[in-house]
Amino acid sequence: EDKVVQSPLSLVVHEGDTVTLNCSYEVTNFRSLLWYKQEKKAPTFLFMLTSSGIEKKSGRLSSILDKKELFSILNITATQTGDSAVYLCAVEALGSGGSNYKLTFGKGTLLTVNP
Amino acid sequence: GAVVSQHPSRVICKSGTSVKIECRSLDFQATTMFWYRQFPKQSLMLMATSNEGSKATYEQGVEKDKFLINHASLTLSTLTVTSAHPEDSSFYICSAGVHSGISYEQYFGPGTRLTVT
Repeated sequence: EDKVVQSPLSLVVHEGDTVTLNCSYEVTNFRSLLWYKQEKKAPTFLFMLTSSGIEKKSGRLSSILDKKELFSILNITATQTGDSAVYLCAVEALGSGGSNYKLTFGKGTLLTVNP
Repeated sequence: GAVVSQHPSRVICKSGTSVKIECRSLDFQATTMFWYRQFPKQSLMLMATSNEGSKATYEQGVEKDKFLINHASLTLSTLTVTSAHPEDSSFYICSAGVHSGISYEQYFGPGTRLTVT
């Protein structure tokens, strides 16, 4: 069974701090790893990673994938209160039926950024 | 960008009744739609994968007779929770899959919060 484990489960920081969120996985037929931000509603897409060692950046957020060690990190620098959310890691892999790719989500990291 | 809508956004129903949730891709065609359920402080759990014009593929432990999925067109999939019970109260989220070269990208709907009293 595919497994995605995120750590820490929750984190409280002050504005301006830098945070690193972790995601490790065990899946067969890996295709990609995705990061999402979830506030009150459905997740919003942040990054898709398919290749090892290539950092993806978007503003203060960046992420990298290590396919040998089977993990990814999401970094947020100079955190702001608006970064407070649950950050979800998901791995896309071929489903058991063999015809569809599906996402397996981790439990998420609840990030709270205090002013 | 790709937009997915869900209706209703919130529904309260009585035990024993059925509830239908719609998921629409507004500006693109989705051959595959996914239905997830999320309990409070838990992650998204995939319930089923729905391909247009064919039967849905349910994940282990999800009752297909209780959670009826219909994907009649490339822009609409519906999830019907039949004979709902309080334990079915949850946040239901759909996503629509779009091929983008090497992979699917999944675009999520805003979710439907179901409360069964």
